[in-house]
Amino acid sequence: SYELTQPPSVSVSPGQTARITCSGDALPKQYAYWYHQKPGQAPVLVIYKDTERPSGIPERFSGSSSGTTVTLTISGVQAEDEADYYCQSADSSGTYWVFGGGTKLTVL
Amino acid sequence: EVQLVQSGAEVKKPGESLRISCKGSGYSFTSYWINWVRQMPGKGLEWMGRIDPSDSYTNYSPSFQGHVTISADKSITTAYLRWSSLKASDTAMYYCARRGPDTGDAFHIWGQGTMVTVSS
Repeated sequence: SYELTQPPSVSVSPGQTARITCSGDALPKQYAYWYHQKPGQAPVLVIYKDTERPSGIPERFSGSSSGTTVTLTISGVQAEDEADYYCQSADSSGTYWVFGGGTKLTVL
Repeated sequence: EVQLVQSGAEVKKPGESLRISCKGSGYSFTSYWINWVRQMPGKGLEWMGRIDPSDSYTNYSPSFQGHVTISADKSITTAYLRWSSLKASDTAMYYCARRGPDTGDAFHIWGQGTMVTVSS
């Protein structure tokens, strides 16, 4: 079955840049989406269609794509950005959705 | 306001059946697929499957096919997730979600989640 691979954890100091990667064979042909989730809350969409930011999401969140890897970048990380981050995409046929295993972002 | 409102927490015994619900409001219910997502305690998100409320067409993740049933009643704008025989391993938070009107296929609108606990 199709898998998306994320690093389990990323740590940065406040004000630094955090980069979270997500790798999958179908990413060159399927869009990726990114969510953050804080404890006890439902996930929140932060990036859609690889690079687009929904209204209400701060400009410090951005997405990029290169081959089989997509990257979520958080510039000028703030303490409130500490959360679990998940990528999502579809398999090559577009039939099934898949989430990455999640990355815990720690703000030191 | 567009909302997905889920039914409340459940505590069940192994072998029991269960149906949880997700009620859509503030939009045309038949215009957006409803997805179900599982999150086991301390674990990540897993897509279970989805339903097109306009015709009740479903597709399931291979990991969940045959273990759960997704249905919908468009007359009351509600989608359901059903188990016929629960297992302890079904203990999890379950979310329903749908795409937004202008964010592609992303899960932009989420329910608040339903916690299901299966324990003898």
